[in-house]
Amino acid sequence: DAGVTQSPTHLIKTRGQQVTLRCSPKSGHDTVSWYQQALGQGPQFIFQYYEEEERQRGNFPDRFSGHQFPNYSSELNVNALLLGDSALYLCASSLEQGSAGNTIYFGEGSWLTVV
Amino acid sequence: QQQVKQSPQSLIVQKGGISIINCAYENTAFDYFPWYQQFPGKGPALLIAIRPDVSEKKEGRFTISFNKSAKQFSLHIMDSQPGDSATYFCAASKHSGYSTLTFGKGTMLLVSP
Repeated sequence: DAGVTQSPTHLIKTRGQQVTLRCSPKSGHDTVSWYQQALGQGPQFIFQYYEEEERQRGNFPDRFSGHQFPNYSSELNVNALLLGDSALYLCASSLEQGSAGNTIYFGEGSWLTVV
Repeated sequence: QQQVKQSPQSLIVQKGGISIINCAYENTAFDYFPWYQQFPGKGPALLIAIRPDVSEKKEGRFTISFNKSAKQFSLHIMDSQPGDSATYFCAASKHSGYSTLTFGKGTMLLVSP
């Protein structure tokens, strides 16, 4: 049973560029959330996708956007990259049914460095 | 506004000792409190979780103590081992929150041999 898989694991981008990160949820899960974890900090919620719709969003600018596909996989896009966007981006998956308190599984993350 | 406050920031414990990490929350709508363990270069992994209808939950060497009136909860690691050296995050979510987590800032635990 595959867990949450993310790609790429590491990448380096230049300020102003755009980046796309990818996530496949744990088998059987239909809800995908994205978190940003800056060095030495706890993960911060970016947004959550369910049924291909963004249904909840944290305090992140519109430069951060996403998508969920019919197979429940998801992408996180960040435009006009800033140095401050350098962080570990974590994908988390869960099952919507009986969602409150359902176990949330995290992937290994994608390390983004903006130079 | 930091909704989940975690302390201490770092902790050094001798092998065999008890590690204690504390968290306090502000939002009374939170009703699910998990702890995550994160090793360097890895994603967070669920360790143990509790709901506010119980005051304590134990799984092996890990225990969560929960004080609803004080809006505090803590993680106790008994018989701490060097392999427990990691960063620990407390988190909280609310029933209506579609399973989105609010994390503390983390505690870096080092268990000395």
